[in-house]
Amino acid sequence: SQTIHQWPATLVQPVGSPLSLECTVEGTSNPNLYWYRQAAGRGLQLLFYSVGIGQISSEVPQNLSASRPQDRQFILSSKKLLLSDSGFYLCAWSVLYNQPQHFGDGTRLSIL
Amino acid sequence: RKEVEQDPGPFNVPEGATVAFNCTYSNSASQSFFWYRQDCRKEPKLLMSVYSSGNEDGRFTAQLNRASQYISLLIRDSKLSDSATYLCVVRTPEGYALNFGKGTSLLVTP
Repeated sequence: SQTIHQWPATLVQPVGSPLSLECTVEGTSNPNLYWYRQAAGRGLQLLFYSVGIGQISSEVPQNLSASRPQDRQFILSSKKLLLSDSGFYLCAWSVLYNQPQHFGDGTRLSIL
Repeated sequence: RKEVEQDPGPFNVPEGATVAFNCTYSNSASQSFFWYRQDCRKEPKLLMSVYSSGNEDGRFTAQLNRASQYISLLIRDSKLSDSATYLCVVRTPEGYALNFGKGTSLLVTP
């Protein structure tokens, strides 16, 4: 069966520091991968999606970036975090673009 | 106008009650619809897809009304474990993005 792993579960970072969140999927090949953010009191917002290695599409302008160095690995990064980057970051995968997406456990990011 | 709108609740119901949630979406070209469940401080989990003809999964029934652009979820015989936030989700016509409602909070009490 397919599983998705995200780490770390919780992260506290100072403003201006870099960020790297990692997500890996097991048990499937060539999944569609997604990064979402859920800010307090708000719905999930799609940040990036990827349909294959090296293929990244951004949904919203921001100081975050994403990379997909391997088929089942998706990384979310920032060079300098802002206070507004705080939130619950969720990685998800789907078999095809029109199939339901399945989420990892998420990373709760607090910026101080 | 927001893409997906839900009544935030909370809905407080006793065990065994039947409760229904509605959700409206703005883009008439939307093609896929889902209900997800999210427990406090946890990731969303797929509850069920919503099909045009309506579908049922145990105590849960989902309906889609394309003409009025709304989706419903009915929970029968509520259990304490049903307490969670229920997210209405609509796939954009472009295909990749899912638009999530902010969720409806349900609390089932003894």
